[in-house]
Amino acid sequence: SYELTQSLSVSVALGQTARITCEGNDIGSKNIHWYQQKPGQAPVLVLYRDVNRPSGIPDRFSGSNSGNTATLTISRVQDGDEGDYYCHVWDSSTVVFGGGTKLTVL
Amino acid sequence: QLQLQESGPGLVNPSETLSLTCTVSGGSISRNTDYWGWIRQPPGKGLEWVGTIYYSGSSDYNPSLKSRVTISVDTSKTQFSLRLSSVTAADTAVYYCARMITGITGAFDIWGQGRMVTVSS
Repeated sequence: SYELTQSLSVSVALGQTARITCEGNDIGSKNIHWYQQKPGQAPVLVLYRDVNRPSGIPDRFSGSNSGNTATLTISRVQDGDEGDYYCHVWDSSTVVFGGGTKLTVL
Repeated sequence: QLQLQESGPGLVNPSETLSLTCTVSGGSISRNTDYWGWIRQPPGKGLEWVGTIYYSGSSDYNPSLKSRVTISVDTSKTQFSLRLSSVTAADTAVYYCARMITGITGAFDIWGQGRMVTVSS
C-alpha cells in the first residue's frame, strides 16, 4: 500500500518561513491535501490538490508537489500556526495519511 | 452550512462492537460528488483512515481493519454509521466523521468535532 512519510517535528522562529514535507513514491503524480490540527480540535483542511486554499485560509499557506516530495510552506509564521500538520492522498479508493509533523513556533 | 456530528457510546467493553453514528445537517448526504468517511486518532498519535461510503452504499475500508468494519448509510435520516467489531484497547481513539469531496480529489473538507471512545472493562 502507498505510504506518506513526514518528519516528526519542525521548529521555526516567529515571523519566519516554515516548510513541512511529505514524501512518497512519485508523489508528484498525485493530489496531496494538507490539514492543520490544534490540540483538542478536529483537523482543518488548509490546502487541497497540492496548492489550493479553501475559503478562509490565509495566503501565507502555500504548497508545491514534485518528484517524491510535497511541501507545505507557511510564510510569516504566527503563534497561532502551532499544531500538527498532516498530508493526505486518496489513491485507488484508499485514503492514506502521513504520520504528522508537529510545528513549534519559537 | 453543512455540519457533521458524531454520536454513540463513549465506553465499550473489550471484544464487543463499537457503534457510532454521524448525523449530517444543513445539506444533502446524496450529492454525487461526496463521499462520507470515518477517521480515528488514538491518544497522542496520528490520523488513521477507517473507511468511506458513498450515498449509494458503496464503501471502501482500511485493509488493516476491513475484517472488523462495517459502514452504512441512511439517506432518509442523513446519517451514516460505523460498526467496529471485536474491539480491543488498541481501538481506543477519537473517532471523526468527515465529508470527502471527489471534485477536489478526495480532500476531507468538513469534519465533525470527534467522539472519544474508550475500550475498557
